[in-house]
Amino acid sequence: EAEVAQSPRYKITEKSQAVAFWCDPISGHATLYWYRQILGQGPELLVQFQDESVVDDSQLPKDRFSAERLKGVDSTLKIQPAELGDSAMYLCASSLDFVRVNTGELFFGEGSRLTVL
Amino acid sequence: KNEVEQSPQNLTAQEGEFITINCSYSVGISALHWLQQHPGGGIVSLFMLSSGKKKHGRLIATINIQEKHSSLHITASHPRDSAVYICAVDGGATNKLIFGTGTLLAVQP
Repeated sequence: EAEVAQSPRYKITEKSQAVAFWCDPISGHATLYWYRQILGQGPELLVQFQDESVVDDSQLPKDRFSAERLKGVDSTLKIQPAELGDSAMYLCASSLDFVRVNTGELFFGEGSRLTVL
Repeated sequence: KNEVEQSPQNLTAQEGEFITINCSYSVGISALHWLQQHPGGGIVSLFMLSSGKKKHGRLIATINIQEKHSSLHITASHPRDSAVYICAVDGGATNKLIFGTGTLLAVQP
């Protein structure tokens, strides 16, 4: 069964270090999302891609976070430098397409849990 | 006030009980999603609906667009249903999902 792949599943790092997360969406899915979920809270959208273009990155802390999806397939989310408050689950999701009237069903990866010491 | 409110925040039930989780939202939407998240795990999409009712196994989701309210029902609950259930709405004008904070369900044997 097709699934959204994420790596690493777990990452422990010290503050001020750089971290990177990778996501491979379901084949053919044009829309890719990166979410951050702090323990006990709902997911928060960081960035949304349509193919290789950024659709929404209004909540992405651009001084330290960056995201790219160069070929419109897999994507990388980077944090540099990491801060204590970045400890969270980073979730990647994909959908077939997003159309103003009919949003596609979302498929989530298992997530990457980041702990910043 | 959050744009998506869920109730209850926590729910404990006995195995076999009928469970209802509610979601109210204040924005116009094109679709509403019900998601399930097991502790430490990823998120699984249960339903996406824009009107009426959908059923999958023991799960039923309903939505009332006029009242801006949706419910997720679980019939004959089982301990393996224990998870966080999250309601998320697609605010059509922004095409961005707005998530509720989730309902933590514990089903005891």
